[in-house]
Amino acid sequence: GEEVAQTPKHLVRGEGQKAKLYCAPIKGHSYVFWYQQVLKNEFKFLISFQNENVFDETGMPKERFSAKCLPNSPCSLEIQATKLEDSAVYFCASSHGSNQPQHFGDGTRLSIL
Amino acid sequence: DQQVKQNSPSLSVQEGRISILNCDYTNSMFDYFLWYKKYPAEGPTFLISISSIKDKNEDGRFTVFLNKSAKHLSLHIVPSQPGDSAVYFCAATGPSGAGSYQLTFGKGTKLSVIP
Repeated sequence: GEEVAQTPKHLVRGEGQKAKLYCAPIKGHSYVFWYQQVLKNEFKFLISFQNENVFDETGMPKERFSAKCLPNSPCSLEIQATKLEDSAVYFCASSHGSNQPQHFGDGTRLSIL
Repeated sequence: DQQVKQNSPSLSVQEGRISILNCDYTNSMFDYFLWYKKYPAEGPTFLISISSIKDKNEDGRFTVFLNKSAKHLSLHIVPSQPGDSAVYFCAATGPSGAGSYQLTFGKGTKLSVIP
């Protein structure tokens, strides 16, 4: 598609439950990025993919967080055993090339109760 | 340690006038800079970018200026319109070819254009 599509828009989970977020990048874009917006205006990089390969995972918490981009499927970000501090808006972005503008989806708001 | 700084949390401008949003960075390895506009409950929308080999890039009402020696960039919007009211984020990445293209964002400037 012409836009980055993120689902669901809002996800509510109890502490300790699993959360899974999805992202369909713009067709033809080979790079996918995940960012976490915790405080109102602070974006934190999590992970990036080049096609289905992890490109940079330096921002991913070592435990509980995992991500995949498989052929012919939306990319996903999964959080195991969620904690209250995982409450945030998670944005996905895609780009055509390595140093090209990243285009963002509208985010998934994750609320951990 | 904030590598990209937007020191003005907010800015109010009269419709039709120029809006100037500023951004400073500390990492001299950054070589690609972008501006995004964000409305509440939406994702950032790409506006304009500039590579470090240039000092100016223009697209319609939007112009970005880069001063590498001062590690400073600015976004000019002329003329400002009420629909420009949003939070504007400066972002940077680099060095190109080093293997990571993650964006480092500033904390944003909320622009209000008054009719």
